[in-house]
Amino acid sequence: KAGVTQTPRYLIKTRGQQVTLSCSPISGHRSVSWYQQTPGQGLQFLFEYFSETQRNKGNFPGRFSGRQFSNSRSEMNVSTLELGDSALYLCASSLRDTSYNEQFFGPGTRLTVL
Amino acid sequence: AQSVTQLGSHVSVSEGALVLLRCNYSSSVPPYLFWYVQYPNQGLQLLLKYTTGATLVKGINGFEAEFKKSETSFHLTKPSAHMSDAAEYFCAVFMLDDKIIFGKGTRLHILP
Repeated sequence: KAGVTQTPRYLIKTRGQQVTLSCSPISGHRSVSWYQQTPGQGLQFLFEYFSETQRNKGNFPGRFSGRQFSNSRSEMNVSTLELGDSALYLCASSLRDTSYNEQFFGPGTRLTVL
Repeated sequence: AQSVTQLGSHVSVSEGALVLLRCNYSSSVPPYLFWYVQYPNQGLQLLLKYTTGATLVKGINGFEAEFKKSETSFHLTKPSAHMSDAAEYFCAVFMLDDKIIFGKGTRLHILP
């Protein structure tokens, strides 16, 4: 089975621009979660989508949004980029068939904001 | 607030020596606990998990961890370090609010 894929792997943007990241989950997985990883803050939960509905969200400003399509693929959008948005963005998929939500991670998208 | 604390952002051990990475959590109820490993330019890979049952959990690559409720700890160990173990390790807790909280990570360095 193919793993979680994320595109693009690397991205360079300038302040004020917007960006869209894509995540394709493992086949059969209906849950997709997004995380931001930075050296200072570590891994922080952004949001989770399950069957095209946002199931949970972390403490990020409204500039961060996401969606999920009927094939479970998910996109994350960041508008009005700030320097502090530079990070590795990780996507994780899950079957959501257990009470503890075992997640499988993609390789991440490295976003650099100049 | 629930949290996960990993003691030591960097740990160095000699090849062949014992690896011990520490993780403590704060929780009023027994949580679900995970250890993940991240190699450079890659995502996170699940090493092992504690959900219920036996408190000593064995994972991949020779790693194991023991859940100690009285100490609220879930330390990761490996009897003999290998150069390929050099990576960053994250302890994580799945909480009752349906979120996973990650520790800050411990970078493991293996000395030849």
